[in-house]
Amino acid sequence: GNSVTQMEGPVTLSEEAFLTINCTYTATGYPSLFWYVQYPGEGLQLLLKATKADDKGSNKGFEATYRKETTSFHLEKGSVQVSDSAVYFCALSDRSSNYKLTFGKGTLLTVNP
Amino acid sequence: EAGVAQSPRYKIIEKRQSVAFWCNPISGHATLYWYQQILGQGPKLLIQFQNNGVVDDSQLPKDRFSAERLKGVDSTLKIQPAKLEDSAVYLCASSVSGTTEAFFGQGTRLTVV
Repeated sequence: GNSVTQMEGPVTLSEEAFLTINCTYTATGYPSLFWYVQYPGEGLQLLLKATKADDKGSNKGFEATYRKETTSFHLEKGSVQVSDSAVYFCALSDRSSNYKLTFGKGTLLTVNP
Repeated sequence: EAGVAQSPRYKIIEKRQSVAFWCNPISGHATLYWYQQILGQGPKLLIQFQNNGVVDDSQLPKDRFSAERLKGVDSTLKIQPAKLEDSAVYLCASSVSGTTEAFFGQGTRLTVV
């Protein structure tokens, strides 16, 4: 079956620091990969996605590249802000699972001024 | 365009009581999902509907949980009787049929005491 493993948190950074959150996956088919973000008290928001190998998803300064050879989809941002403090979830979806999302456990990011 | 609507936002009940959650998906989205997010974990699929038919309910504890999607639009998730371990955020999501991108509501936070 499908599974997602992401870096355990919490992660605490100072403003303007570089961010990496690691994510690896196992899938039987050819999944689409996602990063979702959850701000305190809110639902999940799609941050970025990639649908095939070597695609790069990007949004709000965040980037992630779909690496089929290493089955990875690491999230990066060059300079984090206090407003980026949230929980980040890596997820995958494919046709073999009727497009349901399989999530990692989430990584709590706290950015200090 | 309106997003996925859920109500209530918060609910506190005693164990063995019953509770119901409501979801209104994005207009035109044939696929509707209910996820359970326990504190510190990623969301887990409870049930997936395609129009008013069930696609996947393999992770739904059917002895206490039930869900319906009458007329293929709104959906209701019910728990009866509730247990302490049902304390979680219940997220509703919807998507266009046959696509991987799902849109989430703000969720209902259930506390069972």
